[in-house]
Order: sequence, then structure tokens, then C-alpha cells
Amino acid sequence: AQKVTQAQTEISVVEKEDVTLDCVYETRDTTYYLFWYKQPPSGELVFLIRRNSFDEQNEISGRYSWNFQKSTSSFNFTITASQVVDSAVYFCALSGLRAGTASKLTFGTGTRLQVTL
Amino acid sequence: EAGVAQSPRYKIIEKRQSVAFWCNPISGHATLYWYQQILGQGPKLLIQFQNNGVVDDSQLPKDRFSAERLKGVDSTLKIQPAKLEDSAVYLCASSLERRTVSNSPLHFGNGTRLTVT
Repeated sequence: AQKVTQAQTEISVVEKEDVTLDCVYETRDTTYYLFWYKQPPSGELVFLIRRNSFDEQNEISGRYSWNFQKSTSSFNFTITASQVVDSAVYFCALSGLRAGTASKLTFGTGTRLQVTL
Repeated sequence: EAGVAQSPRYKIIEKRQSVAFWCNPISGHATLYWYQQILGQGPKLLIQFQNNGVVDDSQLPKDRFSAERLKGVDSTLKIQPAKLEDSAVYLCASSLERRTVSNSPLHFGNGTRLTVT
């Protein structure tokens, strides 16, 4: 069975602070994909990144960076110099490649990020 | 490119009543998904269509939920009769292909927030 754990229910930071959102996953698959989605108050889930289990290189995109560590089954997300517009719920998700798992995204429970002035 | 369109945005019904949600995926997207997101939880897959055929409905409560995708474009999700525990946001998503989720990220609509009283 697949499972994604986001232990941080809610995080509050002041603008310009850096913040890291944690994600720990469980899967029996040897190959799999990991995702981060952002859900602003409008409700739409916005795709941020996907990473396959072969590639453990960290990735940076502007103020966003992701740290994938297969040894600890973690895929953490860092926002540098946070802004008020970053306020949203962030979901980590996992999918497999085997038949019956490739089409299913298993989501964590989400971390609500509140950025204030 | 127009996004995934869903309607209505909000719906309030009494238990045992019926309700239907509509989704128009991104043009050209063969795969369509319905997710249920209960407050405080991550989205959970209900059903997946590839064109007008059902690929996975293993988590759809078939005694009360039904979905169709006539002509392989628009889709409707129906609940009959509704229960209190059906209160949730129903998200529609679409993607270009099915083989692996990561080859074609899911694009989500804004969702329909259902309240059952």
C-alpha cells in the first residue's frame, strides 16, 4: 500500500522567511513518482513538480527547491523568501508505475502555509 | 489554454436528495478523473476514464455514486441518495494520457463544494 505523510498540519511564517514543508512516503514499488501540488483558496490544485525515483538530484525553480532523499523516503519542499501569495495548502503525492497504481495519485493530508506581513 | 471547467461551484442539499456535477476537461485530454476531497484531507480518486471508458472505479461507492463520460469529453458525477458524509469538494482533473501519471501531469478544476445537511 502507498502512503504519504505530511506531519505539519499548519505553518505560519512572516514574509521573507524561508520555510520547509516535510513529506515522507511509503511504497513497495521500486520505481515511483513524487509530486507537489499547491491548493490556493480558489480550490484548484496547481501542479508544482514531479520527480521520479531514479533521480535524487535536488531541484530548484526560482524560490522553490525540492530535496529528495530516497534513503529516508522523504521529498521536502522549501520556499525561500516566502511571500504572502505563497499562502495555500500544499500537498505531496505519490504514484507508482505498476498496473493499478500508475493512474492513482495518493495524496498526503496537506500542509496549510500562512505567510503574513 | 482553457483549464478544466466544473459546475456548479457550490451545492447545498439535504440528505437523501440527488445531486449531479459536471466537468469539461482540457481540450484534447483523453483521461479524466474525479476526486473527492473531504475537509482536512487530501484528494481521493473516485473514478478514472480513458476517453469514454472506465479505467478504474475501485474506490467509487457504486451503491450511490455513478459517473459517465459520454462521447469521451464532458463528464457528470451523480450522487443518489446523498449522505451527510458525502460533504466534500469534488475535483475533476484531466491529463493527456494514462500510461504513467508523470508523463502527463493532472490538471485540476476548481472543484464543486458539496454540503449535505
